[in-house]
Amino acid sequence: DAKTTQPPSMDCAEGRAANLPCNHSTISGNEYVYWYRQIHSQGPQYIIHGLKNNETNEMASLIITEDRKSSTLILPHATLRDTAVYYCIVSLSGSARQLTFGSGTQLTVLP
Amino acid sequence: EPEVTQTPSHQVTQMGQEVILRCVPISNHLYFYWYRQILGQKVEFLVSFYNNEISEKSEIFDDQFSVERPDGSNFTLKIRSTKLEDSAMYFCASSEGIGRLNTEAFFGQGTRLTVV
Repeated sequence: DAKTTQPPSMDCAEGRAANLPCNHSTISGNEYVYWYRQIHSQGPQYIIHGLKNNETNEMASLIITEDRKSSTLILPHATLRDTAVYYCIVSLSGSARQLTFGSGTQLTVLP
Repeated sequence: EPEVTQTPSHQVTQMGQEVILRCVPISNHLYFYWYRQILGQKVEFLVSFYNNEISEKSEIFDDQFSVERPDGSNFTLKIRSTKLEDSAMYFCASSEGIGRLNTEAFFGQGTRLTVV
């Protein structure tokens, strides 16, 4: 699986949009971009995934650049409960594929 | 909302003892996983399981580890002879899989294993 690079930490004001970047310059054509988050030491929580088109769900939006070498996760209105470590993971198709978690970005939402 | 449940939430065991961690995956899911996270470190993949056999396993998953789906609902991780370095949070996960190639994995809240 391709490697990803994320900033180690970011702050965001409550109510503002949080934009979390991820670089995955070695991504291959059949690899998806997944985002998970981990609040304190709870189990990772799925947020969103995409292949090449932008995606939106009730939690977040995912913007993937045209060359697919980077992506941005957007939390449109961050709340204190969004404080967590956010992981960008690149994974091949197929449900049995393992997820390789990196160090992620520690997002702190400030009041 | 359906969820993956894990028991116990915390287990303390003596070094050399066998321990079984239990998980109930989401009922219509067909792929099951175990991950672990040593305190302060990354979440690490251990094993995936489908159709009553191991699909993939990592280097961490050596002969001391085994997985089983003993009935239609439970999925267990057994560590035969625990070592101090097995102390970690163990997460079970499941995903739907069939008919949808890229389904997300749902994780349980974890079992904190402390080996003393």
